[in-house]
Parts: sequence; C-alpha cells; structure tokens
Amino acid sequence: AQKVTQAQTEISVVEKEDVTLDCVYETRDTTYYLFWYKQPPSGELVFLIRRNSFDEQNEISGRYSWNFQKSTSSFNFTITASQVVDSAVYFCALSGFTGGGNKLTFGTGTQLKVEL
Amino acid sequence: DAGVIQSPRHEVTEMGQEVTLRCKPISGHNSLFWYRQTMMRGLELLIYFNNNVPIDDSGMPEDRFSAKMPNASFSTLKIQPSEPRDSAVYFCASSSIQGSTEAFFGQGTRLTVV
Repeated sequence: AQKVTQAQTEISVVEKEDVTLDCVYETRDTTYYLFWYKQPPSGELVFLIRRNSFDEQNEISGRYSWNFQKSTSSFNFTITASQVVDSAVYFCALSGFTGGGNKLTFGTGTQLKVEL
Repeated sequence: DAGVIQSPRHEVTEMGQEVTLRCKPISGHNSLFWYRQTMMRGLELLIYFNNNVPIDDSGMPEDRFSAKMPNASFSTLKIQPSEPRDSAVYFCASSSIQGSTEAFFGQGTRLTVV
C-alpha cells in the first residue's frame, strides 16, 4: 500500500524566515515518483516538482529546494526567505505502480502561513 | 492547451437529487483521476482510470457514487442520490499512464448539497 505522511498540519513563520515542510512516504514499488503541489487560497492545485525514485539529487529552483533521501523515505521541501505569497497548503504526493496502475496518493497537506 | 476542464465550477443542489460532474482531460493523457477534498479528510482519491478503464475504485465512498469514462476525452462522476455530507470540492486530474509526468488538475467543482 502507498502512504504519504505530512506530520506538520500547520506552520507559521515570519517573512524572510526559512521553512522546511516534511514528507515521509511508504511504498513497495521500486519505481515511483514523488511530487509537491501548492494550493493557494484561490483553491487550484499547482504543480511544483516531480522526482523519480532513481534520482536522489537535491534540486533547487529559486527560493525552493527539495531534499530526497531514499534511506529515510523522505522528500522534504524548503522555502528560503519566505514571502507572504508563499502562504498556501502544500501537498506531497506519491505515484507508484502497484497493481499495474499509477495510483497517485496525496498526504494530508501542510498549511503554511507567512506573516509580515 | 486548455488544461483539464471541469464543469460546473459550482453546484448547489437539494438532498436526494442526482448530481453529475464532468471532466475533460488534457489531450494525450491516458490516466484520469477523481479526487474529493474536504476539511476533515483532505484530498481523497475516489477512482482512477487508465486508458478509459477503471483501475481502482476503492476510494468511492458508497454505491451512490459512480464514475464513467466513455472515451479518452470525457469522464463523469455521478452522485445519486446526493446527501449533505457529499458537499466538497471535487477535482479531476490527468497524466500520462507511466506516471512520469505530473498530474494536471482542473479548477475543481465546489458541490454544496442542502
């Protein structure tokens, strides 16, 4: 079975602080993909990043960075110098191939509030 | 590309009525997902299709829910009869079957059952 755990329900930071959102996953698949999505107050789900299970290189995109560690089954997301516009719910997701299908499972999300 | 298109964007209906939500996936995508989002339960996968075939419907809450994908460009999620606890935002998403692309989401349908 696939499972994604985002233990942090809500995080509040002051603008310009760095913040890390945690994601731990479980899967029996050897090939899988991990994702992060952002859901701003307007409600749409915005794709941020995709990593495959064979690529453990960390990735940086502007103020965003991701740390993928298979040894701990974690895929953490860091926002550097947070801004008010980063306030949103962030979802970690896992796509595997159990049973022949590419089931996409989401964590429960982390609500990030960035205040002035 | 217009992205994943869902209709209607908002639906208010009375308890007991039939509700049909519609989704047009991105052309060329052969996986389609239906999710339900509520405050209490977060994002729940209801059902997904590969090549128009339902693969896993274990997330469909009850027999009142049904989903179809008659062709590669259209899917429906039907609730009959609807109940107030069905009130939620329903998202449709599509991706490639290999999972090597991200899932693209529609804008969602906000359903209110009164």
